[in-house]
Amino acid sequence: AQSVTQLGSHVSVSEGALVLLRCNYSSSVPPYLFWYVQYPNQGLQLLLKYTSAATLVKGINDFEAEFKKSETSFHLTKPSAHMSDAAEYFCAVRNQGGKLIFGQGTELSVKP
Amino acid sequence: KAGVTQTPRYLIKTRGQQVTLSCSPISGHRSVSWYQQTPGQGLQFLFEYFSETQRNKGNFPGRFSGRQFSNSRSEMNVSTLELGDSALYLCASSLEGGSPGELFFGEGSRLTVL
Repeated sequence: AQSVTQLGSHVSVSEGALVLLRCNYSSSVPPYLFWYVQYPNQGLQLLLKYTSAATLVKGINDFEAEFKKSETSFHLTKPSAHMSDAAEYFCAVRNQGGKLIFGQGTELSVKP
Repeated sequence: KAGVTQTPRYLIKTRGQQVTLSCSPISGHRSVSWYQQTPGQGLQFLFEYFSETQRNKGNFPGRFSGRQFSNSRSEMNVSTLELGDSALYLCASSLEGGSPGELFFGEGSRLTVL
């Protein structure tokens, strides 16, 4: 069965600092991996996705993630945090049945 | 292009009642999925519909049901509500069911059960 583990339920960074949100997955087959962001009282918005093309995936708002098969990881990074990046971030894997399996989420706080 | 629309956005029910939530997908999208989001359990998959047929189902009791209409609009129903059903219910649509493409989410229906 596929699963996703996000390390750290809360991450706090200063404005302008590097953002690193960790995600490890478990999958017996090549996975499709996604990062979504959820702002307060809103639905989920796709940041980026990995579908077995390039291992370094670039998304919206300068976010990117690198697929590392040897580490079964898909960590999300952004070089410089903005106040507007404060939100909850979800890593997800899509299984063979097509449904998304989400991690527990990481809440990102950005300090001025 | 209009996004995924969910109604109602907020509702309050009492234990034992039933509720119906509606989801209108993006025009042209034929797959609709439903997720339940709670602080304790996170995002959990309820079911997916494609061309009026349920393709996938999560591990929820039979009190949770859904359907999809010929225009791809979907409804989900929860009968005999329990306190633990209080949650944000998210609907997502995609072009085709089973593809690795992205899901487009609505803003959700927040259900409170008293």
